[in-house]
Amino acid sequence: DADVTQTPRNRITKTGKRIMLECSQTKGHDRMYWYRQDPGLGLQLIYYSFDVKDINKGEISDGYSVSRQAQAKFSLSLESAIPNQTALYFCATSDAGAGRTGELFFGEGSRLTVL
Amino acid sequence: QKEVEQDPGPLSVPEGAIVSLNCTYSNSAFQYFMWYRQYSRKGPELLMYTYSSGNKEDGRFTAQVDKSSKYISLFIRDSQPSDSATYLCAMRPFSGGYNKLIFGAGTRLAVHP
Repeated sequence: DADVTQTPRNRITKTGKRIMLECSQTKGHDRMYWYRQDPGLGLQLIYYSFDVKDINKGEISDGYSVSRQAQAKFSLSLESAIPNQTALYFCATSDAGAGRTGELFFGEGSRLTVL
Repeated sequence: QKEVEQDPGPLSVPEGAIVSLNCTYSNSAFQYFMWYRQYSRKGPELLMYTYSSGNKEDGRFTAQVDKSSKYISLFIRDSQPSDSATYLCAMRPFSGGYNKLIFGAGTRLAVHP
């Protein structure tokens, strides 16, 4: 089984619908992240959490919210989806003690299409 | 202007070729430099990292950082079809965690037999 699991892997929805993307991890890491990937733009940070009680906005948080239900679970919600939120979404984790390596462990991604 | 610029490619090379992938950046505070590899329909995975300037070699891969020019490179020797993937550069300043990590747009590489 994957260390970082995202569900659903693919989702098609309509404008205005509420969508939740879920992430769970078995790596035992405290830090979790949600990224969005668009062609030509790379990975952009939406939200991050350094522990269950610590939630922070990233560079593109507008239109998104998150919930850290447990150390191992971090969900991303789109309260009212719009077409320009069509993208590939990644959850990632890191070990606070990993120091300089910059190693983020990514899930396999959730492809969201908003019609 | 983006903080990190990376040519999206695609780059197509024959098997056995030497591949050069590059990124330029504008923030002189960046100290940690990484290369991530992303296969189709997969998440990125860390390939190499370097701190400050210099070279680092790992098998067929060499990462090079030139801070004076704000330019980083990844060289792949004896490229293989299994190297076909998107390569993302990433970098961050000395202080702060991975929330400060900035990614390039990624270069798509195809190595054909």
